[in-house]
Amino acid sequence: GENVEQHPSTLSVQEGDSAVIKCTYSDSASNYFPWYKQELGKGPQLIIDIRSNVGEKKDQRIAVTLNKTAKHFSLHITETQPEDSAVYFCAADSSGNTPLVFGKGTRLSVIA
Amino acid sequence: NAGVTQTPKFQVLKTGQSMTLQCAQDMNHNSMYWYRQDPGMGLRLIYYSASEGTTDKGEVPNGYNVSRLNKREFSLRLESAAPSQTSVYFCASSEAWGNQPQHFGDGTRLSIL
Repeated sequence: GENVEQHPSTLSVQEGDSAVIKCTYSDSASNYFPWYKQELGKGPQLIIDIRSNVGEKKDQRIAVTLNKTAKHFSLHITETQPEDSAVYFCAADSSGNTPLVFGKGTRLSVIA
Repeated sequence: NAGVTQTPKFQVLKTGQSMTLQCAQDMNHNSMYWYRQDPGMGLRLIYYSASEGTTDKGEVPNGYNVSRLNKREFSLRLESAAPSQTSVYFCASSEAWGNQPQHFGDGTRLSIL
């Protein structure tokens, strides 16, 4: 089955700097890769996703890149703001009985 | 448009008690899911319902049962709660099964003493 590894587990950046979170996956048949943001006391919220027919997708300050050959994908947040502080999860689809397999999360702290 | 609504938000149980967690979605989604979230473990799938009338086991189903009451509602039941089931439980839904965005509720925080 699919296995998703996420790094780093914690990340601190200065306000205005960029943040990068990386995930690797094991199933070469995976073709859907969403990213979720979870604020304290809330459920995960989809912020961006990418499918395997594209290599990069941007939405304002957020971008995701996908390298299918290496089986890894990354979340890039530019010009970070304090409200970007949250836990971020990557996920990949799976051919098994779990539609999405999640990474263990990255706690991002943006320091003003 | 509320999205995915979970009740209750918090609950404390004693070992051996039973409990049903409720979930409802108003997006006319076909598929619904129950996850548990433990520190450092990410989100683990307990049970899912790919479509109305079907349910199936996920990664960690032991100690749980589910009911897809109708297209909107998907409940999770703990028949005899154990301390190992202390967790935050999330319900999610998606338009269809598979590689589709999932929409999450805000969770039920369950403590079992």
